[in-house]
Amino acid sequence: DAGVIQSPRHEVTEMGQEVTLRCKPISGHNSLFWYRQTMMRGLELLIYFNNNVPIDDSGMPEDRFSAKMPNASFSTLKIQPSEPRDSAVYFCASSLNGNEQFFGPGTRLTVL
Amino acid sequence: SQQGEEDPQALSIQEGENATMNCSYKTSINNLQWYRQNSGRGLVHLILIRSNEREKHSGRLRVTLDTSKKSSSLLITASRAADTASYFCATTEFTGGGNKLTFGTGTQLKVEL
Repeated sequence: DAGVIQSPRHEVTEMGQEVTLRCKPISGHNSLFWYRQTMMRGLELLIYFNNNVPIDDSGMPEDRFSAKMPNASFSTLKIQPSEPRDSAVYFCASSLNGNEQFFGPGTRLTVL
Repeated sequence: SQQGEEDPQALSIQEGENATMNCSYKTSINNLQWYRQNSGRGLVHLILIRSNEREKHSGRLRVTLDTSKKSSSLLITASRAADTASYFCATTEFTGGGNKLTFGTGTQLKVEL
């Protein structure tokens, strides 16, 4: 089992550019979570899906952030336009029936 | 706001000593989980304790849960340098459409040789 796969692992972009982060959950898992981690704010839940349906997006900071899960094996988190304060490590995690979560390696985003 | 607050924020011990980390939370929970994060890596699940359990063991890990005090503790016995990492508690609340984890602020553990 390859675990949760995220791409890219690192992303450096300029302010105003669109950023798309990708996640492939573990096969068979029915919940998918997007988190953001910074030194200042710790680990924050942005949005999560259950059976491909967004359940709670209250953690999405603003309209510049959007997430989709078109099928059970793929999700994207998009930031448009990006700003320097979006710099963080973004984690995707998946779980089966809401118990332990399996985290991907994260995407380190730097917005200049 | 963070549901879980870990204490202490940082802990430094010698190899072979025991390490104890505490977590307090605010609302009713279904279960409480502990995760470890090595520097630059994703979180790894360590152990889950349900709201009707008081103590659970897994290898060198011992977790307790006191729902009356809304607190949990993680004990790592006979620590090793490889245990150096950040440790997070996370509480689960059932939201109807799935289980949502809320993470605490974490304890940074350093185990020195």
